[in-house]
Amino acid sequence: EDKVVQSPLSLVVHEGDTVTLNCSYEVTNFRSLLWYKQEKKAPTFLFMLTSSGIEKKSGRLSSILDKKELFSILNITATQTGDSAVYLCATSGTYKYIFGTGTRLKVLA
Amino acid sequence: GAVVSQHPSWVICKSGTSVKIECRSLDFQATTMFWYRQFPKQSLMLMATSNEGSKATYEQGVEKDKFLINHASLTLSTLTVTSAHPEDSSFYICSASSVLAEGVQYFGAGTRLSVL
Repeated sequence: EDKVVQSPLSLVVHEGDTVTLNCSYEVTNFRSLLWYKQEKKAPTFLFMLTSSGIEKKSGRLSSILDKKELFSILNITATQTGDSAVYLCATSGTYKYIFGTGTRLKVLA
Repeated sequence: GAVVSQHPSWVICKSGTSVKIECRSLDFQATTMFWYRQFPKQSLMLMATSNEGSKATYEQGVEKDKFLINHASLTLSTLTVTSAHPEDSSFYICSASSVLAEGVQYFGAGTRLSVL
C-alpha cells in the first residue's frame, strides 16, 4: 500500500533555531514529491522535487530528495514565529497524490 | 502564482439538506481538480479526482452518490454533499493543477461544513 510518513509529528523550537523535517515514502509509479505549508486554511506550495540530490532553495527554506532511500527533508534555518504551521509532504504518482499527516511546527519568540 | 477560489468558506445546514461547494481556478485552466477532506489535526484525505468533461474518479470508501462532483469547465468544479448528515461535517478543500505547472496542485481556501 502506498504511504507517506512524516516525522516528527510535532516540533517546538525557539526563534533562530534550525529545523529539519522528514518525509519518507513508498509509492508506486512515483513522479514527484511536494512540500506544502498549511497555516489556518489551505496549503501553500513550497517545493516540488523530482530529481535526487538536487537541493531546492527559497529564502530560509530548502529541500532535497533521495530517490534511492525514498525520503526527503525540508530544512528551515533561522526560524521565525511566522514559520509556525503544519508542513505537509505529498507524493505524486501516475494519477494520485498521497499526503503525509504533516509535521506541526511551533516557533516560540 | 495560480489562484484557486473556493466558495463558500463556511456553511451550516440542517441534516438532510444538500450543500454545493464551488471551486474555481481564476487565472489558469485546471485540467484536473481534486477534492479533499480534512479532519481536525489530520492530513488531507483525497476524495476524488476530476478531469474536465469526464466523470470523477472516486477513492475507495467514498460514496459517489453522496458526494457528487461535476467538472463542467476548465475553470470550475463543484462538490455537492447530498442529504448531509452530522458525520459529514468536516473541512473540504479543493485543488487544481494545470499542464503549465505539471505536478503542482494549487489549493482553494477550503470550506468548513457544519451539519446540524
